[in-house]
Amino acid sequence: SYVLTQPPSVSVAPGQAARISCGGDNIESKSVHWYLQKSGQAPVLVVHDDSERPSGIPERFSASNSGNTATLTISRVEAGDEADYFCQVYDMKSDHVLFGGGTRLTVL
Amino acid sequence: EVQLLESGGSWVQPGESLRLSCAASGFTFYNFALSWVRQAPGKGLEWVAAISGGGATRYYADSVKGRFTFSRDNSNNMLYLHMDSLRADDTAVYYCARVGTGGSHYFDHWGLGTLVTVSS
Repeated sequence: SYVLTQPPSVSVAPGQAARISCGGDNIESKSVHWYLQKSGQAPVLVVHDDSERPSGIPERFSASNSGNTATLTISRVEAGDEADYFCQVYDMKSDHVLFGGGTRLTVL
Repeated sequence: EVQLLESGGSWVQPGESLRLSCAASGFTFYNFALSWVRQAPGKGLEWVAAISGGGATRYYADSVKGRFTFSRDNSNNMLYLHMDSLRADDTAVYYCARVGTGGSHYFDHWGLGTLVTVSS
């Protein structure tokens, strides 16, 4: 079955850029979606279809998808960006939705 | 404003059954597919099941197939997840989530979740 691999944690200083990866076999052939989840809250969609931002999501959030890795980039990181970030795809072969294991972003 | 509100979470013993509900508002309900996603304590997100707008098509994760049944009532804008033969590893917060448009199956709105605890 298809597997999405994320690093467990990423740390970054305020004002710097954070990059969170999501690895999968030929992931560029799939549409990748990203969510953030702050402690005790429900997930929030921040990017869909590889690089599309929903309304209300700051331009600091961007994403790309190439080869075997999709990447979420948060520029000019703020303390309020501390959260768990999850990538997600839809596997058409199995009609299943798959999530990565999640990455905890820590702002130093 | 799109709203999804789950209810029905409770503590149950292994082997028992439970029904979760999700009340939807703020959008044309029958036009959207919906899903249940769960999150065990301290763990990541796990997709559970999906249902098409009309309710005719349903998909389940392997971990719940045969035990969980996902249904919807389009006349009352309600979702239901009937869970049988519950196990300890079903313990989680259960979220209902709306599937966004476009066919790539992302979740553009989520409820706040309801906690299911399975323990003896």
